[in-house]
Amino acid sequence: DAMVIQNPRYQVTQFGKPVTLSCSQTLNHNVMYWYQQKSSQAPKLLFHYYDKDFNNEADTPDNFQSRRPNTSFCFLDIRSPGLGDAAMYLCATTLGTSNEQFFGPGTRLTVL
Amino acid sequence: DQQVKQNSPSLSVQEGRISILNCDYTNSMFDYFLWYKKYPAEGPTFLISISSIKDKNEDGRFTVFLNKSAKHLSLHIVPSQPGDSAVYFCAASPLRGQNFVFGPGTRLSVLP
Repeated sequence: DAMVIQNPRYQVTQFGKPVTLSCSQTLNHNVMYWYQQKSSQAPKLLFHYYDKDFNNEADTPDNFQSRRPNTSFCFLDIRSPGLGDAAMYLCATTLGTSNEQFFGPGTRLTVL
Repeated sequence: DQQVKQNSPSLSVQEGRISILNCDYTNSMFDYFLWYKKYPAEGPTFLISISSIKDKNEDGRFTVFLNKSAKHLSLHIVPSQPGDSAVYFCAASPLRGQNFVFGPGTRLSVLP
């Protein structure tokens, strides 16, 4: 039973064309994260929501935005994707004070 | 600057032998550490954790050792099985419940 679902699994977009990646969870966790992972590198935290409170990492480009309309869903919007934004995007959830994050399978973004 | 380092990008071990994956960190504020395992086309899954009040935590075939003075932790898998072949990420955070920083991962191959 999938607990953290990411759609689509593979996304191709053109340089500069806005794209939205989605994440949903069935765990009722209050914290949701978006990570960017480039090849052979560590997953890099972009931002997270603690309930409805949005927390942006200091070095996350303005090109990246996020929305969390309800507990279950979280979206990553890339307003004008560049070639350097091609990566795997991982969504994760956790409950409050737990450090154990549950990850989705990721969306691999290709920018042409 | 990498706060969490995994200096071996890959490791090959014979089935039945011990696998030792290493992780070093630079931030002395890190107090809670986790290991995640990632199979291809899947998100990372939590494996084992340790807090700084301990120097060892064991769960079945998996044991994590922490040496705070050396800012070093290691994951031991005994005996290694082919199904353990995956990428292993080390992660660290200042406190339980806070965002944590990932290392770049080590790809473990267990050979039959």
